[in-house]
Amino acid sequence: NAGVMQNPRHLVRRRGQEARLRCSPMKGHSHVYWYRQLPEEGLKFMVYLQKENIIDESGMPKERFSAEFPKEGPSILRIQQVVRGDSAAYFCASSPAAGDQPQHFGDGTRLSIL
Amino acid sequence: DQQVKQNSPSLSVQEGRISILNCDYTNSMFDYFLWYKKYPAEGPTFLISISSIKDKNEDGRFTVFLNKSAKHLSLHIVPSQPGDSAVYFCAASVTGATNKLIFGTGTLLAVQP
Repeated sequence: NAGVMQNPRHLVRRRGQEARLRCSPMKGHSHVYWYRQLPEEGLKFMVYLQKENIIDESGMPKERFSAEFPKEGPSILRIQQVVRGDSAAYFCASSPAAGDQPQHFGDGTRLSIL
Repeated sequence: DQQVKQNSPSLSVQEGRISILNCDYTNSMFDYFLWYKKYPAEGPTFLISISSIKDKNEDGRFTVFLNKSAKHLSLHIVPSQPGDSAVYFCAASVTGATNKLIFGTGTLLAVQP
């Protein structure tokens, strides 16, 4: 999965703290997607961003979750006031364009809530 | 509402034989389909894709078949190798919309030496 870089790989937070997950897309890719995989489940879409724009956030929980992809720097997925149910693997993907272009994934951030 | 389904949680195949992984979908608007392979503690790795204007796409040992009338796609791996042992996910999207991928729940493939 070289190319899409996610950090940290593992993140431990206590309930009520904030979690920040970072994603640098592959070089030349301007489309970023975030997915979440809960234990024993498949990947579920959360949000789709292009530079400085949120295109589709239909999979994002209404509260506590936000995402951004600034003009400079990585995309950030922020979870405020984390709860135990937020424990999951969060994957970022990127593609060079919209349409029939495969998305390429990073190795994910495994978030654990104590 | 599970729009993409992989009904076989696991599959075991002998090395050198064909592996066939199946996937069904319900949304007729899907027009782009992909297969990913995933090892534990890693992200999904893109394998092969197919647009709805085609019914077959090949890349080396991997072939994807699409049957639009049955809303069914399959991934054939020939010959299977022990290194192919992983979880395989199919995914679908509606291009021209948001490009979000809808994933199946995965099939664990074990290739026995």
